[in-house]
Amino acid sequence: GQQLNQSPQSMFIQEGEDVSMNCTSSSIFNTWLWYKQDPGEGPVLLIALYKAGELTSNGRLTAQFGITRKDSFLNISASIPSDVGIYFCAGFTGNQFYFGTGTSLTVIP
Amino acid sequence: SQTIHQWPATLVQPVGSPLSLECTVEGTSNPNLYWYRQAAGRGLQLLFYSVGIGQISSEVPQNLSASRPQDRQFILSSKKLLLSDSGFYLCAWNQGQGSEKLFFGSGTQLSVL
Repeated sequence: GQQLNQSPQSMFIQEGEDVSMNCTSSSIFNTWLWYKQDPGEGPVLLIALYKAGELTSNGRLTAQFGITRKDSFLNISASIPSDVGIYFCAGFTGNQFYFGTGTSLTVIP
Repeated sequence: SQTIHQWPATLVQPVGSPLSLECTVEGTSNPNLYWYRQAAGRGLQLLFYSVGIGQISSEVPQNLSASRPQDRQFILSSKKLLLSDSGFYLCAWNQGQGSEKLFFGSGTQLSVL
């Protein structure tokens, strides 16, 4: 199935730094979702976005639904060691989900 | 609140042996249910989805099958495992009628030796 373009593939940052990652697609989506996955676990839903331009926060996480409906962004402020993991984006067309390939985040204390 | 249970967490099986992975959802009715496989490269591949009891759609031809004997139960099976069936299997659900949020189980790491 279609994969979303997610970047960067990996990030190594110092604790306390801010993080930004994004997803792009050639298709328009009705909904964007952001997940975090720890090793050996299933992805956990962090944020859901439902309309173009929407900006939603969940604690230190902020995500935006791109104006074109073809992209989305996730920012993490003041990173901490427990932010380590793989972050996935997902787009929903109304009847199908498409996933990014993930951004692996490493936080150096 | 709704919860999804998936088991076992890990499984080591010899080539040619059968497989049965189970997934159940609590706290909702008539969910859409999904089986995904996640390769080491992190991509999620949709294997099967179901919109109701006995209704299974397969996304890729393969050595696996799925069944939905009850409203909130989804089973992934194989009669004879192949080496290439190794991977991380995820069950997921969302509420029907085009619900936008998809929730995942904790996954099963399958190693076929």
